[in-house]
Amino acid sequence: SQTIHQWPATLVQPVGSPLSLECTVEGTSNPNLYWYRQAAGRGLQLLFYSVGIGQISSEVPQNLSASRPQDRQFILSSKKLLLSDSGFYLCAWSRRGTYEQYFGPGTRLTVT
Amino acid sequence: ELKVEQNPLFLSMQEGKNYTIYCNYSTTSDRLYWYRQDPGKSLESLFVLLSNGAVKQEGRLMASLDTKARLSTLHITAAVHDLSATYFCAVPLNTDKLIFGTGTRLQVFP
Repeated sequence: SQTIHQWPATLVQPVGSPLSLECTVEGTSNPNLYWYRQAAGRGLQLLFYSVGIGQISSEVPQNLSASRPQDRQFILSSKKLLLSDSGFYLCAWSRRGTYEQYFGPGTRLTVT
Repeated sequence: ELKVEQNPLFLSMQEGKNYTIYCNYSTTSDRLYWYRQDPGKSLESLFVLLSNGAVKQEGRLMASLDTKARLSTLHITAAVHDLSATYFCAVPLNTDKLIFGTGTRLQVFP
């Protein structure tokens, strides 16, 4: 069976500090990978998605970046956090050529 | 541009009552997904609707899809407190992306 992990689960960072969130998927190969952000009480905003190693599509211009160094690893980064970066960050995966996405447990980021 | 709209955005309902959540989308799609999000938690898959006229039921929830009307409904029967959550519908834009609705926050009170 497939499992998706995210860490850390919670994070409190000061404005201007760097960020690195990690997502890994087990039990599947060549998945599509996604990063979403959810502000408090709001819907999902797609940030990045990847269909393969080193292939990143950015949906929203901002101070965040994503990388996919390995087939089942997806990393979300920032060099300098803003207050507006606070939110619930969700990683998801889907099988190549299909639509249904499966979500990780999420990382709750608070920028102070 | 594909738009996915849900209504209502917020629903407060009494236990035992019935209600329907609507999901409308703007372009052709032959499939639709429903997800549930408990407060402070991630999204979990609820229903996968893969064709026109598809109907899926689990417990007090029943989802249906009308691809000609570009409409899906999520019907709640005899609501209980455990159903309190936010419900999202999602429509594929292509094989790489899902477009999510705004979500419907359901609160069931005694």
